[in-house]
Amino acid sequence: GNSVTQMEGPVTLSEEAFLTINCTYTATGYPSLFWYVQYPGEGLQLLLKATKADDKGSNKGFEATYRKETTSFHLEKGSVQVSDSAVYFCALVSGNTPLVFGKGTRLSVIA
Amino acid sequence: NAGVTQTPKFRVLKTGQSMTLLCAQDMNHEYMYWYRQDPGMGLRLIHYSVGEGTTAKGEVPDGYNVSRLKKQNFLLGLESAAPSQTSVYFCASSYSRGTGEQYFGPGTRLTVT
Repeated sequence: GNSVTQMEGPVTLSEEAFLTINCTYTATGYPSLFWYVQYPGEGLQLLLKATKADDKGSNKGFEATYRKETTSFHLEKGSVQVSDSAVYFCALVSGNTPLVFGKGTRLSVIA
Repeated sequence: NAGVTQTPKFRVLKTGQSMTLLCAQDMNHEYMYWYRQDPGMGLRLIHYSVGEGTTAKGEVPDGYNVSRLKKQNFLLGLESAAPSQTSVYFCASSYSRGTGEQYFGPGTRLTVT
């Protein structure tokens, strides 16, 4: 079946540090890949997506590249801010199966 | 444009009580979903609907029932609440299932004592 594995948190960084959150997946067919973000006290919202191999999704300074050869979709940001503190979820969808989420990685950015 | 709304925001139940959580969306989406979020478990799909009058089981459906009588509403029912159902419940909707782009409500925090 389809599954997503992402690095466990929490991740604590200083402001302006470089961020990487690892995500790998297992899927049948040709999945689309997503990163969702959940700010404190809110529901999830889509951060970025990539629908085919070698696509790069980007938004708000975050980016992730769909790597079919390594079945990965790592999230990166060059300089994090306190306002980026949130829980980040990697997810995939393949065919008509429901969206599958990873367990989430909590990021705390300190000033 | 309210997006996806959920009522109530908080609720405390005693074991054995029943309740219904309401989800409403104003985006004319066909697909709607109910998830629960527990620490260290991520989001787990309870039930979903692919259109008005349809429902389907997700990963953790036991102890829950759902109904989609109107396209814009998706109700989640707990007939006899148990402490294991203490969680944060999120509703989501999407235009189609295959895109993976879901819009989430703000959540309902349920405590069962």
